[in-house]
Amino acid sequence: DQQVKQNSPSLSVQEGRISILNCDYTNSMFDYFLWYKKYPAEGPTFLISISSIKDKNEDGRFTVFLNKSAKHLSLHIVPSQPGDSAVYFCAASHHAGNMLTFGGGTRLMVKP
Amino acid sequence: KAGVTQTPRYLIKTRGQQVTLSCSPISGHRSVSWYQQTPGQGLQFLFEYFSETQRNKGNFPGRFSGRQFSNSRSEMNVSTLELGDSALYLCASSPRTSGRSNEQFFGPGTRLTVL
Repeated sequence: DQQVKQNSPSLSVQEGRISILNCDYTNSMFDYFLWYKKYPAEGPTFLISISSIKDKNEDGRFTVFLNKSAKHLSLHIVPSQPGDSAVYFCAASHHAGNMLTFGGGTRLMVKP
Repeated sequence: KAGVTQTPRYLIKTRGQQVTLSCSPISGHRSVSWYQQTPGQGLQFLFEYFSETQRNKGNFPGRFSGRQFSNSRSEMNVSTLELGDSALYLCASSPRTSGRSNEQFFGPGTRLTVL
């Protein structure tokens, strides 16, 4: 049973436009959500996180939105740059634990 | 600050052997977690250590074990290797304030190939 799902395996966006990556979860116990970027043969790089007490968190070009009632979160990248091309993973955890449950990832390609 | 380091970066073993992977967390981080990444199963949690104690464990067989030392460095061991153990093994460290989830910072991983 996949508790965290990223239903789009890939996304292609033009440079300068907005990239929107989506993630759904089923476990109501999750209260902390994170986005990671990963290049091949490297470990994931932390991008941004959000606690369940918030519905939005912004850091530079990256904004994460959380809709608890829909059990849905999204990552917005504005403007998208070719260097953003990578696989993006959303992850979730619940309080008092550092066990991350990951989605399957979305490959983002930003075309110049 | 130096990032999370993992050794070795690449490893080739044969079925039935055992292997030990090492992880040094970011200075000051007391929590170390291990993950396995495979094309079929994605990124899966193995276990977490905090202050030399295993705090959480994922759904993996007992052949997978780990430990943490007093300096927060961690090792994981896989015994009686199977072909399906071929994967990228990732270590992540976190400051882990008690009772709160924290951002985890990943190392580059150890690529294990079992022949």
